[in-house]
Amino acid sequence: NAGVTQTPKFQVLKTGQSMTLQCAQDMNHNSMYWYRQDPGMGLRLIYYSASEGTTDKGEVPNGYNVSRLNKREFSLRLESAAPSQTSVYFCASSLQGIGSPLHFGNGTRLTVT
Amino acid sequence: EDQVTQSPEALRLQEGESSSLNCSYTVSGLRGLFWYRQDPGKGPEFLFTLYSAGEEKEKERLKATLTKKESFLHITAPKPEDSATYLCAVQAGDSNYQLIWGAGTKLIIKP
Repeated sequence: NAGVTQTPKFQVLKTGQSMTLQCAQDMNHNSMYWYRQDPGMGLRLIYYSASEGTTDKGEVPNGYNVSRLNKREFSLRLESAAPSQTSVYFCASSLQGIGSPLHFGNGTRLTVT
Repeated sequence: EDQVTQSPEALRLQEGESSSLNCSYTVSGLRGLFWYRQDPGKGPEFLFTLYSAGEEKEKERLKATLTKKESFLHITAPKPEDSATYLCAVQAGDSNYQLIWGAGTKLIIKP
């Protein structure tokens, strides 16, 4: 079982460049999430998808867009990267909402110069 | 403002030396408190869910407890493989999709 798979693992961008982070889960989960993790801070929710066909803003959505492509896949797009978006990005999934355990991918470490 | 605070930020123990990690919270309407373990370069891994004061959960050398203001993660006779960052998160209020996360406690167990 692969669980939650994220690509790429590492990425370096220049300010203003764009990129898409990919996430796929094979657990038939309904809900998917994108978080960012910065030193000394708790995980912060960027966007989530409660179920296939729906997406909603989390705590820090500015500068990001998402697409729930199908039940398995949930992508995060940075249209014009900024140094403040340097972070580690985690995708997670759960059976339904946060009442069930979150399963995380291993993250994408993004540096914006 | 809803808040979750974990202490200490880092904890170094000798193998076999028991201790506790703290997660204090100020939220309106606690619906669940979650503990996760995170190894370097990996995503968090679920450990426990606690729902009400007085509840306890155990797994191997770990025991989580919950009061009305805080949760403790007790580690009994830890081994080097217990070294990780332990994260606490809270579900509160009406949200079914947003957790409030603490910054974590980095635990180092020396052989």
